[in-house]
Amino acid sequence: EDKVVQSPLSLVVHEGDTVTLNCSYEVTNFRSLLWYKQEKKAPTFLFMLTSSGIEKKSGRLSSILDKKELSSILNITATQTGDSAIYLCVEFQGAQKLVFGQGTRLTINP
Amino acid sequence: DVKVTQSSRYLVKRTGEKVFLECVQDMDHENMFWYRQDPGLGLRLIYFSYDVKMKEKGDIPEGYSVSREKKERFSLILESASTNQTSMYLCASLENTEAFFGQGTRLTVV
Repeated sequence: EDKVVQSPLSLVVHEGDTVTLNCSYEVTNFRSLLWYKQEKKAPTFLFMLTSSGIEKKSGRLSSILDKKELSSILNITATQTGDSAIYLCVEFQGAQKLVFGQGTRLTINP
Repeated sequence: DVKVTQSSRYLVKRTGEKVFLECVQDMDHENMFWYRQDPGLGLRLIYFSYDVKMKEKGDIPEGYSVSREKKERFSLILESASTNQTSMYLCASLENTEAFFGQGTRLTVV
């Protein structure tokens, strides 16, 4: 059964800390991995990762895929309270199929 | 910008009622999805559709049906709402490898 597993499920840190969120996948037909940030409503797109070892960066957020280890990490440096959200890791398998992880609930305390 | 619009943000319905959740996208996407999101369980796929009048069961289709009469609209139907269908429902539209989400409908069945 195709599966995406995120860890930790919940994380509480202080503003200014750096966090690393993990995502591992077991899928039969990997195409790409997507990261989303979900605050109170719809998830918003962060990154799409297709190639192993190439870091994608957007401001304080960065992500990288390791196809050998079947995993990805999402890093957030110098965290701010506005980074508090659920972060979703999603594997896109093609043929209209998305496999979601459970999400990591990140809380940034002032 | 792609827009995926769900007809209601909040709904309260009684047990046994027939409930319609509507989702409309304005980018001519072929693939549309309905998910429910529950704490600790992440997003779970209920149904998806890859073309007009075409539908496929997802992971948890029991108690739900769908309708795709026009390309832009994908409706989720709860034939007889039950309390265990209280949840956040998210509609998504997929183009290539990126999914666009609606704002979600929080349904409470009492």
